[in-house]
Amino acid sequence: EAGVTQFPSHSVIEKGQTVTLRCDPISGHDNLYWYRRVMGKEIKFLLHFVKESKQDESGMPNNRFLAERTGGTYSTLKVQPAELEDSGVYFCASSWRQGIGNEQFFGPGTRLTVL
Amino acid sequence: QQQVKQSPQSLIVQKGGISIINCAYENTAFDYFPWYQQFPGKGPALLIAIRPDVSEKKEGRFTISFNKSAKQFSLHIMDSQPGDSATYFCAARNNFGNEKLTFGTGTRLTIIP
Repeated sequence: EAGVTQFPSHSVIEKGQTVTLRCDPISGHDNLYWYRRVMGKEIKFLLHFVKESKQDESGMPNNRFLAERTGGTYSTLKVQPAELEDSGVYFCASSWRQGIGNEQFFGPGTRLTVL
Repeated sequence: QQQVKQSPQSLIVQKGGISIINCAYENTAFDYFPWYQQFPGKGPALLIAIRPDVSEKKEGRFTISFNKSAKQFSLHIMDSQPGDSATYFCAARNNFGNEKLTFGTGTRLTIIP
């Protein structure tokens, strides 16, 4: 079974540009999460989709970040315009269900560098 | 405000020794405490997890010790091996609230021969 995949693995852009990150969850997983780790700090929650609906977006830093999940399958996270502080590793995770026994499976991450 | 505090930031242990990583949490609504292991170029992977109704959980060489009154939990790796060298994250989640994981800052563990 394929795991969570993310594209691209690395992205280097200049301040003010736009970047779109993509996540393909494990097939059949309704829950999809985005997290971010800024250099050396904790991995922080950004948002949670259940199918195509946003369940919790309390961790989104500001309105420069836009997440979508078309048809409840893959998800994209767009940063527009990118700022220096957006640099970090963006992880996507998916899970089959919520509640007790829910394990979140993480992708390898996208390393974003904003110059 | 960091809700889960993890220490140490880095740890070097000799092969065969015991590696110990500690975490402390603030939110008493947390009800599930997983540890994740991350190798370079990979995402975090669930290693072992515990619920607060037990004080210890063991899986092979990995043990979680949990102290509910002190709001602390720790990961012990017995007979540490070079293949255990990785970054370890503790985390916490409220099973009856939203599903988000709250992570510690990570510990880079290096096992030397």
